[in-house]
Amino acid sequence: DAKTTQPPSMDCAEGRAANLPCNHSTISGNEYVYWYRQIHSQGPQYIIHGLKNNETNEMASLIITEDRKSSTLILPHATLRDTAVYYCIVRGGTPLVFGKGTRLSVIA
Amino acid sequence: SQTIHQWPATLVQPVGSPLSLECTVEGTSNPNLYWYRQAAGRGLQLLFYSVGIGQISSEVPQNLSASRPQDRQFILSSKKLLLSDSGFYLCAWSVLLGPNEQFFGPGTRLTVL
Repeated sequence: DAKTTQPPSMDCAEGRAANLPCNHSTISGNEYVYWYRQIHSQGPQYIIHGLKNNETNEMASLIITEDRKSSTLILPHATLRDTAVYYCIVRGGTPLVFGKGTRLSVIA
Repeated sequence: SQTIHQWPATLVQPVGSPLSLECTVEGTSNPNLYWYRQAAGRGLQLLFYSVGIGQISSEVPQNLSASRPQDRQFILSSKKLLLSDSGFYLCAWSVLLGPNEQFFGPGTRLTVL
């Protein structure tokens, strides 16, 4: 399974867009990019996933580069409740394995 | 709608005591089930997953075992707890093993003293 690289932490001002990057240069053709987040002392929450096209839902947008070697999760208007650890996971037909993620702090 | 339950929510156990954590899923049939552990200040570690009754795959050799006696029930056990077993235990389920969403339960916080 492909390995992902994320910055350990990021800050974002409340109301601004939060752009969380993820590198996955060894991704293979049948692997999807997933994003989850974990708010302190809770279980992870699914955000979005995609294969090669950009995806958008009510929570976020996922932008995947054409070569699929990196992606960006965009929270369009970050709020204080978006403060969490965000995990980028690349996986095919096997269970999700979580790395260390990016700790996003939304600042008022 | 589907829901996932875990109990107990918190547990304090002495070293050497047995452990049994239970996870049940409602509103779906033949789910894939997973156990994860998160030690303090660390990431989520996949422990076990199951694609059906009696079918258990172990990801990491350890002091724990898992069983699936019924379709929507997943149990995590230990005969003798170690200090290093302390952590936040999360159960999850999914429809498929492949590209789809995993839904997580509320977790059990275990402290071994």
